[in-house]
Amino acid sequence: NAGVTQTPKFQVLKTGQSMTLQCAQDMNHEYMSWYRQDPGMGLRLIHYSVGAGITDQGEVPNGYNVSRSTTEDFPLRLLSAAPSQTSVYFCASRSEGRADTQYFGPGTRLTVL
Amino acid sequence: AQSVTQLDSQVPVFEEAPVELRCNYSSSVSVYLFWYVQYPNQGLQLLLKYLSGSTLVKGINGFEAEFNKSQTSFHLRKPSVHISDTAEYFCAVSGGTSYDKVIFGPGTSLSVIP
Repeated sequence: NAGVTQTPKFQVLKTGQSMTLQCAQDMNHEYMSWYRQDPGMGLRLIHYSVGAGITDQGEVPNGYNVSRSTTEDFPLRLLSAAPSQTSVYFCASRSEGRADTQYFGPGTRLTVL
Repeated sequence: AQSVTQLDSQVPVFEEAPVELRCNYSSSVSVYLFWYVQYPNQGLQLLLKYLSGSTLVKGINGFEAEFNKSQTSFHLRKPSVHISDTAEYFCAVSGGTSYDKVIFGPGTSLSVIP
């Protein structure tokens, strides 16, 4: 049982490039979410999904796209990277209820030059 | 929109001293409250959570938190800290007007001084 996995661990992009951050979980969790972590701002919710085929915006969705074609995978796409997207990105999953514990991946550190 | 405030961005404390990390949330309806910990260069893991019932919640590593509905607070405490408690601590809320979203506070960096 690997839990929540994220790839890559580190990534450097140039402004304007696109890329996909991968997230997968093997716990059969319905709920998955993406956060970005910036100094002094804690974790801010980018997008989340309550099940396959269902996604919704979080607090800071601009510049990011998501899709959820399977229960296991929840990729985050940066369409045209900007320096403001330099951050550490965490994926999380939980069973389904609002009271359930979230399980976090190890994070992806992204730098946009 | 729902929000979480952590009043102290940094808390230095000597080893074996008690500590309290403060958390306040904004909501007029029932919510679920969580404390997560992030050790250096790691992801987050759950310390404890309040769902309902007893307002005093005990978690892992000797931490506990008290839910106070009238003050909309959920402060985290430990009677005696250890060097290994040095980490970032995040308060989070779900339910209420956030529905399925889990919203985090800005975090408190706890530094335990030997």
